[in-house]
Amino acid sequence: QQQVKQSPQSLIVQKGGISIINCAYENTAFDYFPWYQQFPGKGPALLIAIRPDVSEKKEGRFTISFNKSAKQFSLHIMDSQPGDSATYFCAATNRDDKIIFGKGTRLHILP
Amino acid sequence: DTAVSQTPKYLVTQMGNDKSIKCEQNLGHDTMYWYKQDSKKFLKIMFSYNNKELIINETVPNRFSPKSPDKAHLNLHINSLELGDSAVYFCASSQGRQIDYTFGSGTRLTVV
Repeated sequence: QQQVKQSPQSLIVQKGGISIINCAYENTAFDYFPWYQQFPGKGPALLIAIRPDVSEKKEGRFTISFNKSAKQFSLHIMDSQPGDSATYFCAATNRDDKIIFGKGTRLHILP
Repeated sequence: DTAVSQTPKYLVTQMGNDKSIKCEQNLGHDTMYWYKQDSKKFLKIMFSYNNKELIINETVPNRFSPKSPDKAHLNLHINSLELGDSAVYFCASSQGRQIDYTFGSGTRLTVV
């Protein structure tokens, strides 16, 4: 119940394409869903987050889509750039507990 | 300038040794964490402290002992290091139960 399942494990996208990473959760008590971005040699950094009262949140080229009934959420990176190459972690939590991270997706954008 | 800083950045040591990793944050946060990231990039929480009090202690060998002298510092001491302890250890902080974490740059520990 505490797991967050993330797919794919790795992803290669052409420059200018759309990168899509999917996550699913079981615990209906989760009420906050952040995505973290990690570059090699650095710690994860918060990229964008969503609460389940909205179905979509957009910040620049990054969009989270949220499907509460299916208990799924996804990250879309529009016009993907080589600088977006990183490992992306979805996560889920509620205010009274720790963050549960997905296993990560290594994204590589081809120049 | 750095928000969450860890030292050392790299640590190579022999099996059986004892080592410490230090973490400091200047964000004024009151909650700090230690995470372990293995070679497959999986992030696993180890400990969490809130105002110097241990609040999360995951299933971690008791060779690992965290210490928080004040709310801006959280250190990790590891006794009798084993090959399987090789990983990147991340310190993170947040404000109370606020759930946006700020991570440090990590300490790459290699046990030989």
